[in-house]
Amino acid sequence: QVHLQESGPGVVKTSETLSLTCNISGDSVNVHHWSWLRQSAGNGLEWIGRLYIGGTTLYNPSLKSRVTMSVDRSQNQLSLRLTSVTAADAARYYCARSGVVTPRGYYYYYHGMDVWGQGTTVSVSS
Amino acid sequence: EIVLTQSPGTLSLSPGEGATLSCRASQRVSGDYLAWYQQRPGQAPRLLIYGASTRATGVPDRFRGSGSGTDFTLSISRLEPEDFGVYYCQQYGGSPLYTFGQGTKLEI
Repeated sequence: QVHLQESGPGVVKTSETLSLTCNISGDSVNVHHWSWLRQSAGNGLEWIGRLYIGGTTLYNPSLKSRVTMSVDRSQNQLSLRLTSVTAADAARYYCARSGVVTPRGYYYYYHGMDVWGQGTTVSVSS
Repeated sequence: EIVLTQSPGTLSLSPGEGATLSCRASQRVSGDYLAWYQQRPGQAPRLLIYGASTRATGVPDRFRGSGSGTDFTLSISRLEPEDFGVYYCQQYGGSPLYTFGQGTKLEI
């Protein structure tokens, strides 16, 4: 069974950098694509970016200038960095498998996100 | 950006009734790459439907997705108490790659 676990500092100060990690068990960063998303009361669900199997990334244009996603293959772990945070970045952050894996093992990378972590809440203080 | 508009905002129904949720896209969703999620309080979203009409693993057949192009529907028959929550539609393929609707709250 695939399990994703996000972790982070909980609170970040305005203008500083937010760093989160996502530990993956039951799957591999080398086999599927992965996404980061966030959810706030004001902006609903927002996709932040996708990390492809080969290591390339695609970011939401609205966040592209401040976001970096990376992978530690030895740890089977994803990382997210968001610079120059403001109050608007306060949200619950999720990592998710990007695509759908069927019971027969077919991977449809162009569909929704079929496995999500429980999320980690980030508050921004001044 | 493909904007998804969901209606109604809130749906109040009783167990045993049927529900119809709508998702309208501002432009055609390529390949009908439209998904539906259920989110219960304090939980992460759960994938219900992908490809507009394919149920995800373990999703009861009471959930049915339909539609194409710009108009999509999630139908839930014989509502059960555990069906309460917020339902989101999501498209794949535009820019940004994924966008979500604002959600429909289903109150049982």
